[in-house]
Order: sequence, then C-alpha cells, then structure tokens
Amino acid sequence: TQLLEQSPQFLSIQEGENLTVYCNSSSVFSSLQWYRQEPGEGPVLLVTVVTGGEVKKLKRLTFQFGDARKDSSLHITAAQPGDTGLYLCAGVFAGNNRKLIWGLGTSLAVNP
Amino acid sequence: KAGVTQTPRYLIKTRGQQVTLSCSPISGHRSVSWYQQTPGQGLQFLFEYFSETQRNKGNFPGRFSGRQFSNSRSEMNVSTLELGDSALYLCASSLDLSSYNSPLHFGNGTRLTVT
Repeated sequence: TQLLEQSPQFLSIQEGENLTVYCNSSSVFSSLQWYRQEPGEGPVLLVTVVTGGEVKKLKRLTFQFGDARKDSSLHITAAQPGDTGLYLCAGVFAGNNRKLIWGLGTSLAVNP
Repeated sequence: KAGVTQTPRYLIKTRGQQVTLSCSPISGHRSVSWYQQTPGQGLQFLFEYFSETQRNKGNFPGRFSGRQFSNSRSEMNVSTLELGDSALYLCASSLDLSSYNSPLHFGNGTRLTVT
C-alpha cells in the first residue's frame, strides 16, 4: 500500500509551459520534503515544508503545503529543459518516529 | 566540501552471490541511511546508522545488513542475492539522525544487477 501518492506519474511538456505536480495522503504529515533526482544521480533536497498552508518559492518553483498538512503541490513556471528529472516527495507522518515515507515520484521531461 | 561517495557505481553479480557496497558520508555527518530504489517500488528504506549503531530498520529480510565504522563510513551487505535485488542502492548522510531539520544528502548510488 502506497501511503503517499504522487501524480501525475509521467509528464512531458514543452519549454516555457507551466505545470503542477501533486503529493497526497489520507494521513497528516508533521513535515514534507521535495527532492529532484536527475538521471544517474541521487535525489537532491529542494525544500522542506512544516506549517499547514506554507508556501515556499525557489526561483521558478513554488511549493505549497496543504492547510490540513495531508497534501502538497509543486508548481513550475516557464519550465526549462534543466528542470527535467524525477520529482519525489517524502513525508514524516505525525506521531511517527521520524521515518521518511516516499512517493513513487513524477518523472518530468521538458522538451526544447 | 566533498559530497557523499558511493563505491562501486556499477556491479553485476550472479544469483546466490553476496555483495558489499560502500558509502563515505560528508565530512562531519554522523548519520548514514541506506535506500533501495526500483521503478515499481520507489525508494524503500533499508536502515539508518548513527555512532556505529543501527537506529532504524526497514522491512527487508535479514539478507540485508549493514554497519558503520568509527569514521562514520558505512557498508551494506546483501547475501544470497536474488534477481529481485537488482536496484539502485542509495546512501544518504545527515548531520544528526535524519529529521526535517537534519536533511538527507544522497550519493549517486550503486547500480546492482543480479543475473
């Protein structure tokens, strides 16, 4: 059973388009992280969100944590080929002993 | 500052053999975690070591084991390899036991293929 659902699973867009990917659960997170993994490399942490309703921006990437802390979204504005990669969310559920639970990821391809 | 180093990058083994993977954490990081990544299952947590002690363990059989040395370097061992063990094995280090304020820094992984 996948406790943390990411959608869409695959996304192929043209350079300059906007996109949003989602990370959802029926359980409450105490914190949630977003990572990007490029081919042949390990995941790299992009952001950590902790507070319900929190919005964080990283250049053209906007991360939002749901008010109830059960979901999160990542919005990319004017995507570029360098944004290509696997976007992973990982959360720690409230009351858990810090163990990260990972989604399967969204594989994004941005075509020039 | 050097990142997390994993060796070897690629391994091909035969069913029934055993394998040892190595991980050198970022200097000053005391915690090392190991993950298995496959397309169908995503990242699956194997175990976490801190100060040479296993602090957390995932749901993997006893064929998967690890250890951490006094310099924080870590190894993981898989015995009696099965075809299903083919995966990317990722090591991650963190300053302290992993949490939202002690994030993970991943190496580039060891790609294990079992034939």
